Amino acid sequence: DVKVTQSSRYLVKRTGEKVFLECVQDMDHENMFWYRQDPGLGLRLIYFSYDVKMKEKGDIPEGYSVSREKKERFSLILESASTNQTSMYLCVVYKNEQFFGPGTRLTVL
Amino acid sequence: AQSVTQPDIHITVSEGASLELRCNYSYGATPYLFWYVQSPGQGLQLLLKYFSGDTLVQGIKGFEAEFKRSQSSFNLRKPSVHWSDAAEYFCAVGAYAGNMLTFGGGTRLMVKP
Repeated sequence: DVKVTQSSRYLVKRTGEKVFLECVQDMDHENMFWYRQDPGLGLRLIYFSYDVKMKEKGDIPEGYSVSREKKERFSLILESASTNQTSMYLCVVYKNEQFFGPGTRLTVL
Repeated sequence: AQSVTQPDIHITVSEGASLELRCNYSYGATPYLFWYVQSPGQGLQLLLKYFSGDTLVQGIKGFEAEFKRSQSSFNLRKPSVHWSDAAEYFCAVGAYAGNMLTFGGGTRLMVKP
């Protein structure tokens, strides 16, 4: 199985801060995705990447950016955190099936 | 654009009773369909998936789902529910196997003893 690691399980930030969420996979897979999970809304796609330096917007990219400088690492960036970005963030890697990271629960105060 | 609707936000069933969770999707071509389960505080676990072939798909933990193209549905079923099945269930659709997925809002299942 693919091991997907996210940099933090819990994170508390203040409004206006720049926030970095990192996702690292242990194999050489191309397809990586960032979702946020909110009650009643399921998982919504923020950004995805099919290769190094490549990124595509998902359904809700506003307020976010991403970086993929190495194949194993896909970073989600909140340029200026806002309270409506309080959520659970999930990184997903695809290798024959989707493998989910443990999630980062971000609280923006 | 693809979309998924899970009409039931909460469902409560008695232990031993049968279960059906509804999922309706919108997609222009033949979809790739998935059901995931998330227990409290846990990550998402794949229950089953449909790509092609037999429209009745068997999954783990005794679950099955049936793809009905005419109804744009992919409902999840289990003949006899166990207390450990209490969790949140998500239906998802994708354009192909490695593609981004669109998820429904989820159905929270509670099981009465």
